[in-house]
Amino acid sequence: EIVLTQSPATLSLSPGERATLSCRASQSVSTYLAWYQQKPGQAPRLLIYDASNRATGIPARFSGSGSGTDFTLTISSLEPEDFAVYYCQQRRKWPLTFGGGTKVEIK
Amino acid sequence: EVQLLESGGGLVQPGGSLRLSCAASGFTLTSYSMSWVRQAPGKGLEWVSGFSGSGETPYYADSVKGRFTISRDNSKNTLDLQMNSLRAEDTALYYCAKSFSGSYNWFDSWGQGTLVTVSS
Repeated sequence: EIVLTQSPATLSLSPGERATLSCRASQSVSTYLAWYQQKPGQAPRLLIYDASNRATGIPARFSGSGSGTDFTLTISSLEPEDFAVYYCQQRRKWPLTFGGGTKVEIK
Repeated sequence: EVQLLESGGGLVQPGGSLRLSCAASGFTLTSYSMSWVRQAPGKGLEWVSGFSGSGETPYYADSVKGRFTISRDNSKNTLDLQMNSLRAEDTALYYCAKSFSGSYNWFDSWGQGTLVTVSS
């Protein structure tokens, strides 16, 4: 199976700062990668699909990039509601897999 | 409006069985990829099982292969997960998830989850 490794595990930042999250795949997934946001007590929310496409209703401060094995989710300026856990997911091959997550916390 | 409502969770002893169901409304289940995703307490997301679009082939994570069976009831518009030989490590909140388009396995609609606890 394709293993997705996210880093860092925790990112401590202040509102207004830029967040850069990484997801690395154990083999190429082309651009078949998505990013989700999850807040406590809530189901995940799809943010980015196909590496760089924002899902419906997702603010422009969220952007994704990368292809092959290295991907990045960037939040250009953190809003209070952005502090959450972020997961990447690949659909290049079955079984689908998720990364272990990056928690973005308030510094 | 798309809605997914999971049911069937509960407390079960190791080695026991449970059947989860996801009732879908607002769309035709067989027109979309559907999956079960679980989350152990305090842990990350783990994809469990799914169908791709209208395809008949089910897919499973290695951790549940041979123990879990996914199925769709087209007449009821439900997605089910039969879980046998349950282990403590299967304890988790189980989400039903729908893809946003056809066979694309990106999930933009999720249920609220149903909790499965495997313990003696």
